[in-house]
Amino acid sequence: AQRVTQPEKLLSVFKGAPVELKCNYSYSGSPELFWYVQYSRQRLQLLLRHISRESIKGFTADLNKGETSFHLKKPFAQEEDSAMYYCALSGNNNAGNMLTFGGGTRLMVKP
Amino acid sequence: DGGITQSPKYLFRKEGQNVTLSCEQNLNHDAMYWYRQDPGQGLRLIYYSQIVNDFQKGDIAEGYSVSREKKESFPLTVTSAQKNPTAFYLCASSLQGGYEQFFGPGTRLTVL
Repeated sequence: AQRVTQPEKLLSVFKGAPVELKCNYSYSGSPELFWYVQYSRQRLQLLLRHISRESIKGFTADLNKGETSFHLKKPFAQEEDSAMYYCALSGNNNAGNMLTFGGGTRLMVKP
Repeated sequence: DGGITQSPKYLFRKEGQNVTLSCEQNLNHDAMYWYRQDPGQGLRLIYYSQIVNDFQKGDIAEGYSVSREKKESFPLTVTSAQKNPTAFYLCASSLQGGYEQFFGPGTRLTVL
């Protein structure tokens, strides 16, 4: 079975501080990992995926297979980063590209 | 904006009633999904469909039913058998074989 855990329900930081949203997963194969974001009054949308190895809005995430983690990081948080963040996993299974989501972390960036 | 739409935005239901949530997409996506979003529990998959006239149960399908008669539409019926239906429901779609899912704005269902 595949599982995604986001240990922090709420993360509060000051503007300009570094931020790290934790994500741990369990999956026996080679997973695809994603971060989705939901800003206030907006739809849930893809932020980044590990296979792209890209930085989006200053955020990066590295897949660490040894620690089964996919933490989301940003060196200097901005107020507009305040949102709900979900880590998601897609495994190679017969169900196609199904996503398993973590419980989400609410990031609050204070001025 | 278009893409994927859900209606209504808010829905109230009396106990014992069935209600149907609408989900439509004009993205020409083959795959469509229904999730339930509860605080602290993230998104849980109710049903998904990878092609017209075919759909599969997700992790929490009990008390729900779906149909996929058209590529563009994937309505979800919350039946009276669903014991705790009050929640926020999200519909999504994706290309067949694609990992990125595109989400609708959601429907908040409240049972009175």
